[in-house]
Amino acid sequence: GDSVTQTEGLVTLTEGLPVMLNCTYQTIYSNPFLFWYVQHLNESPRLLLKSFTDNKRTEHQGFHATLHKSSSSFHLQKSSAQLSDSALYYCALSTSSGQKLVFGQGTILKVYL
Amino acid sequence: EAAVTQSPRSKVAVTGGKVTLSCHQTNNHDYMYWYRQDTGHGLRLIHYSYVADSTEKGDIPDGYKASRPSQENFSLILELASLSQTAVYFCASSVTGITEVFFGKGTRLTVV
Repeated sequence: GDSVTQTEGLVTLTEGLPVMLNCTYQTIYSNPFLFWYVQHLNESPRLLLKSFTDNKRTEHQGFHATLHKSSSSFHLQKSSAQLSDSALYYCALSTSSGQKLVFGQGTILKVYL
Repeated sequence: EAAVTQSPRSKVAVTGGKVTLSCHQTNNHDYMYWYRQDTGHGLRLIHYSYVADSTEKGDIPDGYKASRPSQENFSLILELASLSQTAVYFCASSVTGITEVFFGKGTRLTVV
């Protein structure tokens, strides 16, 4: 079945440094829909950004990601980390033939002064 | 604004007892989901539904039942609660299976 892999369980950064959270996926379907959700402490997950277009950069709230079907990847990036970026980040996958959203294990991002 | 409301927000249950978690959405969404959140496992799909009176098994359905009596309501039932079911449970809804999912605030279930 469909699956999502986030290789880092925890990423720690000093404020101002660039952020990159890895996400790869597996699906037999050729048209995947990829999402990043963010969950701040004691809150619910909410959508950060999404994409279904190959090789097109999508941006929101300073974060960006590009879906690369050739490598089955959808890494999340930001040029400069802020303290307020500290949260749990989930990569998620859906397909037009699937009817559900499958999440990765999540990556905790901690940003320090 | 879209809203998914879960009740209760917190519950302590006894091993072997029955637990029902309720979810109500005012989004007019067809799709509803129950996810379980555990440290190290992320969000895992238990059951979902895309139409009233019908439910589908997710990735970890064992030990759980679901009920969708109307478009707005979706319940998760633990007939015989076990210690391993201690977790945070999120209900969510979406227009379709490929659109943004809106989450409730979660229910913290502790089985003792």
